[in-house]
Amino acid sequence: AQSVTQPDIHITVSEGASLELRCNYSYGATPYLFWYVQSPGQGLQLLLKYFSGDTLVQGIKGFEAEFKRSQSSFNLRKPSVHWSDAAEYFCAVAEYSSASKIIFGSGTRLSIRP
Amino acid sequence: KAGVTQTPRYLIKTRGQQVTLSCSPISGHRSVSWYQQTPGQGLQFLFEYFSETQRNKGNFPGRFSGRQFSNSRSEMNVSTLELGDSALYLCASSLESQGGTDTQYFGPGTRLTVL
Repeated sequence: AQSVTQPDIHITVSEGASLELRCNYSYGATPYLFWYVQSPGQGLQLLLKYFSGDTLVQGIKGFEAEFKRSQSSFNLRKPSVHWSDAAEYFCAVAEYSSASKIIFGSGTRLSIRP
Repeated sequence: KAGVTQTPRYLIKTRGQQVTLSCSPISGHRSVSWYQQTPGQGLQFLFEYFSETQRNKGNFPGRFSGRQFSNSRSEMNVSTLELGDSALYLCASSLESQGGTDTQYFGPGTRLTVL
């Protein structure tokens, strides 16, 4: 069965510092991978997705993620965080055969230190 | 284009009651999925509807049901509410999810509190 692990429950970084959020997945075939962000009281917004091709994926708001098959990882990065990036971040995987069924990780809460 | 809308945004019910939540997808989107979000279990897939048919189902009891109308609007129903059903219920729509290439767009959710 597919699963997604986000090992960091809560991360605090200083404004302007770089960010990397970790994500590991378990899936037999080539996965469809996503990163979503959720601000308090809001729904989920897609940051980026990977289906195939270039393993470095660019997303919105200056985020990028790199798919590493050998490490079963799909880490999210941003070179310089802004206070508005404080939110909950979810890594997710979907099945090819039923791509509407997304399996989410437990989330990483990001706090920004002024 | 308007986003996914969910009504109501907040609901308070008591144990044993039933509740119906509504989701209007983005215009032209034919697939609607529902998710439950709780602090303990995180985000969990409930079910997906496409062309008025349930196409995928998660691991939830039969008390959780849904349907989709010909205009793609969807409702989910929870009968005999339990305290553990308190959650944020999120709806997501996509054009056509076959092959996994379509992005799911999420609504703001309905916050259900069961007392």
